[in-house]
Amino acid sequence: KNEVEQSPQNLTAQEGEFITINCSYSVGISALHWLQQHPGGGIVSLFMLSSGKKKHGRLIATINIQEKHSSLHITASHPRDSAVYICAVPGGGADGLTFGKGTHLIIQP
Amino acid sequence: NAGVTQTPKFQVLKTGQSMTLQCAQDMNHNSMYWYRQDPGMGLRLIYYSASEGTTDKGEVPNGYNVSRLNKREFSLRLESAAPSQTSVYFCASKIRDRDNSPLHFGNGTRLTVT
Repeated sequence: KNEVEQSPQNLTAQEGEFITINCSYSVGISALHWLQQHPGGGIVSLFMLSSGKKKHGRLIATINIQEKHSSLHITASHPRDSAVYICAVPGGGADGLTFGKGTHLIIQP
Repeated sequence: NAGVTQTPKFQVLKTGQSMTLQCAQDMNHNSMYWYRQDPGMGLRLIYYSASEGTTDKGEVPNGYNVSRLNKREFSLRLESAAPSQTSVYFCASKIRDRDNSPLHFGNGTRLTVT
């Protein structure tokens, strides 16, 4: 089973700061997912990436397949970015996904 | 376009009671999943249905049953609820199992068993 480690577990930052969330996994993969869980509980998929970098608005996801590591960056952070960010990789259970425990991000105004 | 609809949003049960969580998707997805989310743990798969007519156990299936009623609907049943089943439950779907298409989640059901 693929082991997924996210860091940090909790992160509090000021509005405008550049945010980095890290995800490391133990077994080589074909793609990695980043998800966002809103304070109300809903979960949405942000990115699925297999190499390089993807950008959507102020969110940037990068992956280094050789180092088994991915990062999620938020530029010009805003209080509405406050959420739990979860990475997930194949190689886990029956659905092929193992989820990290999530990074709880709070952006203070 | 509603996506994945889960009901109910909240439920309180007494130990030994039964209930069914309902899930429906309108995206013509083949694969559907039930997860539970507990504090300090990642999402864990309870059961899944790779395609209509099939269901399989996930990582934590004990105490649960599922029914893939048709392509749209996938329900989760607790026959005799236990306090250990207090959790937040998510239904999800995607185009097909074991590919890299994104998962689409319902809004979750917060279940408390006393």
